[in-house]
Amino acid sequence: NAGVTQTPKFRVLKTGQSMTLLCAQDMNHEYMYWYRQDPGMGLRLIHYSVGEGTTAKGEVPDGYNVSRLKKQNFLLGLESAAPSQTSVYFCASRASTADNEQFFGPGTRLTVL
Amino acid sequence: GEDVEQSLFLSVREGDSSVINCTYTDSSSTYLYWYKQEPGAGLQLLTYIFSNMDMKQDQRLTVLLNKKDKHLSLRIADTQTGDSAIYFCADGGGSNYKLTFGKGTLLTVNP
Repeated sequence: NAGVTQTPKFRVLKTGQSMTLLCAQDMNHEYMYWYRQDPGMGLRLIHYSVGEGTTAKGEVPDGYNVSRLKKQNFLLGLESAAPSQTSVYFCASRASTADNEQFFGPGTRLTVL
Repeated sequence: GEDVEQSLFLSVREGDSSVINCTYTDSSSTYLYWYKQEPGAGLQLLTYIFSNMDMKQDQRLTVLLNKKDKHLSLRIADTQTGDSAIYFCADGGGSNYKLTFGKGTLLTVNP
């Protein structure tokens, strides 16, 4: 199993550009999450999904959109990137609430100039 | 919203015990977690404790939970340089399907 993979690993954008971050998991997990990690702020939940075709807002959803068209993929979109979105983005997945482990991807480092 | 607080830094000598503390506010929390993040990597689950327990031991790790005070601690015995990392406390809340993370404690182990 590859576990949770994220594409790309690094990206530099200019203000106003758009991009999509891809998260993929091969563990047949129901739940998937997108977090951002900023210095001194810990991890903050952006959006999450409790199953294929469903999405929900987390703590800091503004400026981001997500889609979960296939169970194994969870996409995070930035329609018009802003410097405040410079961060490290982590995807995570989890089998169910009965399973207590969230598996994290390696992260995507995004810089918006 | 619910909050999780932890100190930002801890420095210990190799071979000593490390104790990382955490407080949380959600009185309905079912599970509480400790995650470890090594430089340049994602988070890995270290251990977790159910809210009706007050202690859990797993090899060098001991988790203590004081539910009345909403205080959680992680003790690492015989701390090694490989334990240097950021440690995150996380609260599963009442539903346990999304976690609230603390800001993380950077543990530095000095030889």
